[in-house]
Amino acid sequence: QSALTQPPSASGSPGQSVTISCTGTSSDVGGYNYVSWYQQHPGKAPQLMIYEVSKRPSGVPDRFSGSKSGNTASLTVSGLQAEDEADYYCSSYGGSNNHYVFGTGTKVTVL
Amino acid sequence: QVQLVESGGGVVQPGRSLRLSCAASGFTFSSYGIHWVRQAPGKGLEWVAVSWYDGSNKYYAESVKGRFTISRDNSKNTLYLQMNTLSADDTAVYYCARAYRTYYFEFWGQGTQVTVSS
Repeated sequence: QSALTQPPSASGSPGQSVTISCTGTSSDVGGYNYVSWYQQHPGKAPQLMIYEVSKRPSGVPDRFSGSKSGNTASLTVSGLQAEDEADYYCSSYGGSNNHYVFGTGTKVTVL
Repeated sequence: QVQLVESGGGVVQPGRSLRLSCAASGFTFSSYGIHWVRQAPGKGLEWVAVSWYDGSNKYYAESVKGRFTISRDNSKNTLYLQMNTLSADDTAVYYCARAYRTYYFEFWGQGTQVTVSS
């Protein structure tokens, strides 16, 4: 199963918004609402930020939001803060064979 | 609090084997599925395998199927990954992650480094 496609980088100034796309196929992103997003700071373990396309776990700021249209999911970070600078990965359930797939990752830079 | 601690990583020659462990605490281990996810140096995340809460179902990425075996001992609150016939492509940090609603990776350990090199 191929990795989901994300842009390598995205950036924005403090207070601005940035949106990251995650493109898959009808066999993963488009076929299920089991899309999640993870934030990873350098040298640290990933952290779950969004699950089931648009839900936020307890403790995740509401500046983080998710959506999906067809085979593409998106993560929007509003009101960018310095601590949002990190790598972001999407993930989707792959259905057949009970597989899971991650995106290629996007490095978000706060200018 | 939920804690996952991986161990067993190290440097191993190509073709050899290694067994990783993931010790869990702070939650009822036998009630949760647990994944292994790896990250090669400078690369993205790659799902490796999952064991359902009772070990009855196990699934593997195609890249490791037939070489890696996931298992768990619920009496010891520990998950394992037996890795055989290792190659340089298996060099990565290996994380265990507790599943949330089956499809998500909720809590992660800090990872253990596996380096396959002669």
